[in-house]
Amino acid sequence: AQTVTQSQPEMSVQEAETVTLSCTYDTSESNYYLFWYKQPPSRQMILVIRQEAYKQQNATENRFSVNFQKAAKSFSLKISDSQLGDTAMYFCAFMKPYNNNDMRFGAGTRLTVKP
Amino acid sequence: DAGVTQSPTHLIKTRGQQVTLRCSPKSGHDTVSWYQQALGQGPQFIFQYYEEEERQRGNFPDRFSGHQFPNYSSELNVNALLLGDSALYLCASSLVGLSGNTIYFGEGSWLTVV
Repeated sequence: AQTVTQSQPEMSVQEAETVTLSCTYDTSESNYYLFWYKQPPSRQMILVIRQEAYKQQNATENRFSVNFQKAAKSFSLKISDSQLGDTAMYFCAFMKPYNNNDMRFGAGTRLTVKP
Repeated sequence: DAGVTQSPTHLIKTRGQQVTLRCSPKSGHDTVSWYQQALGQGPQFIFQYYEEEERQRGNFPDRFSGHQFPNYSSELNVNALLLGDSALYLCASSLVGLSGNTIYFGEGSWLTVV
């Protein structure tokens, strides 16, 4: 079974600074997808970034980037130039290929961006 | 283009009762999954529907059942409600055969069992 661990229940960062959220996972699969989702107080899950395990290049989306270490089964999210709107719960998730929508989530990290 | 829509937004039920939650997938999507998110936790996969059949199921009892209609919309039914069923129930949709960034979530249905 796949498990996802987020070891930081809460984090805070000053506006405009950089913060890194950690995620580790356990799987015997060689190919899979990894995701970071943002869940603001509205509770809607918003995709931040995704990574395909067979791609060695780390994914980036504007201010968001990941550090994907496949051998270490680590998938951290770096948020640069943090903005007040980044305040939310962040969830790391794992999914096997073609297992549409069957994602395994971590417990989440609550990120607060301070002015 | 409407995204994933869920109803009702909030509801309160009594222990032992039954509840039905509804989900309309994003236009063009044919696969629907349901998740339970207890307070302070990450979402947990309940089951997935494609072509009107349950295709995959997480570790949930038979009290949790579902249905998918020909128009791809879906219902989640929970029987014999327990206090522990209180949670946010999220619906997610996608197009079969494509994974990753094609998955969209609704805003969820808050269920409180008293």
